[in-house]
Amino acid sequence: QVQLVQSGAEVKRPGASVKVSCKASGYTFTSIYVHWVRQAPGQGLEWMGWINPKSGGTNYAQKFQGRVTMTRDTSVSTAYMDLGRLTSDDTAVYYCARGSGTYHSAADYWGQGTLVTVSS
Amino acid sequence: QSALTQPASVSGSPGQSITISCTGTSSDVGGYNDVSWYQQHPGKAPKLMIFEVSNRPSGVSNRFSGSKSGNTASLTISGLQAEDEADYYCNSYTASSTYVFGTGTKVTVL
Repeated sequence: QVQLVQSGAEVKRPGASVKVSCKASGYTFTSIYVHWVRQAPGQGLEWMGWINPKSGGTNYAQKFQGRVTMTRDTSVSTAYMDLGRLTSDDTAVYYCARGSGTYHSAADYWGQGTLVTVSS
Repeated sequence: QSALTQPASVSGSPGQSITISCTGTSSDVGGYNDVSWYQQHPGKAPKLMIFEVSNRPSGVSNRFSGSKSGNTASLTISGLQAEDEADYYCNSYTASSTYVFGTGTKVTVL
């Protein structure tokens, strides 16, 4: 069965970076895009970007340009999201999701979420 | 890119039908058929309910349907049930080759 398993919760200081992993299983990792979405406490969903696991190509929301890097390691079917220069506004649950369908955007399977807390 | 506009809350009685709107512009909702809808229960990951405007993934009840007219997409839930009480978000491709979510709608079953 399809599964996306994310790394555990993180606590970071302001100005630091965080790297969240998303290990895929149950399907061909390189055939489906991986999207990253975050949700601050009590707030809505925010799209951060996607990575094409086959080519490594990426596309980021303008808000995160220059501060986020999405990568993948096809040998272990894992996608990574690295977010730098953290502030308290980055405290959120970060989700990975695979994007299926014609446009590689129908997020039909999601990771369990990773809580990132930014606090001094 | 600003979030797409959704009503903050929608409510209905069991068995009724409700519709949630998602209003954007010709640069997102109105310009592409890449619109999806997600259901999220408290403390849970979102669940895909509709993709590509009106397609339903396998396993999603046919009580859920999607449509689009101009710059507004809509999600209709018919035969409302207690389990439908959740937050709902639309999502659209944009002219910037990125995606944007809606502001979210809390559905309450009276």
